[in-house]
Amino acid sequence: TQLLEQSPQFLSIQEGENLTVYCNSSSVFSSLQWYRQEPGEGPVLLVTVVTGGEVKKLKRLTFQFGDARKDSSLHITAAQPGDTGLYLCAGAWNTGRRALTFGSGTRLQVQP
Amino acid sequence: EAGVAQSPRYKIIEKRQSVAFWCNPISGHATLYWYQQILGQGPKLLIQFQNNGVVDDSQLPKDRFSAERLKGVDSTLKIQPAKLEDSAVYLCASSSQFSIGLISYEQYFGPGTRLTVT
Repeated sequence: TQLLEQSPQFLSIQEGENLTVYCNSSSVFSSLQWYRQEPGEGPVLLVTVVTGGEVKKLKRLTFQFGDARKDSSLHITAAQPGDTGLYLCAGAWNTGRRALTFGSGTRLQVQP
Repeated sequence: EAGVAQSPRYKIIEKRQSVAFWCNPISGHATLYWYQQILGQGPKLLIQFQNNGVVDDSQLPKDRFSAERLKGVDSTLKIQPAKLEDSAVYLCASSSQFSIGLISYEQYFGPGTRLTVT
């Protein structure tokens, strides 16, 4: 069974602080996606990473894919209240089921 | 471009009753997914269609859940009979294709249907 773990589960910070959330698996990902979900809405794709060591930036968000393609991180610089939401990573593996498997998410609250 | 539409947005039923959810994907999207998201968890795939054929239903509780995608467009998900543990948000998503090689395509999600079973 291919499992995907996210940490931390909850994060409450002040506006302007930096934060990092993590996504880990014991198996090698073929690709990994990060989504953000706001209350009452479906998840929205932020980024897809494919190559080991890859770094992608989306404004104040930096996504990194581990060299071994077993882990990924999302770093937010100078968090704003608009960043509040549930951050989900979703991975696909080379073997077994090819459908995306979602992690349980990191719930972020940014206080003004 | 219109997004993924779902209805109803909310549903409250008693256990052992039946319920159906409807999804209209983005026009032209071949792949359609139904997910179950229990409070505090990430979405769990229930079933995936490619056009009107089932690609993956390995996590669908087939004794009570059923889904169809007639004509490869709209889809319905049914629960009969419902149990208390079915209380969750049911998300529908679509993508233009499933994947290119091993890279998953972007999935576009609807707002979901929040089901409460009492």
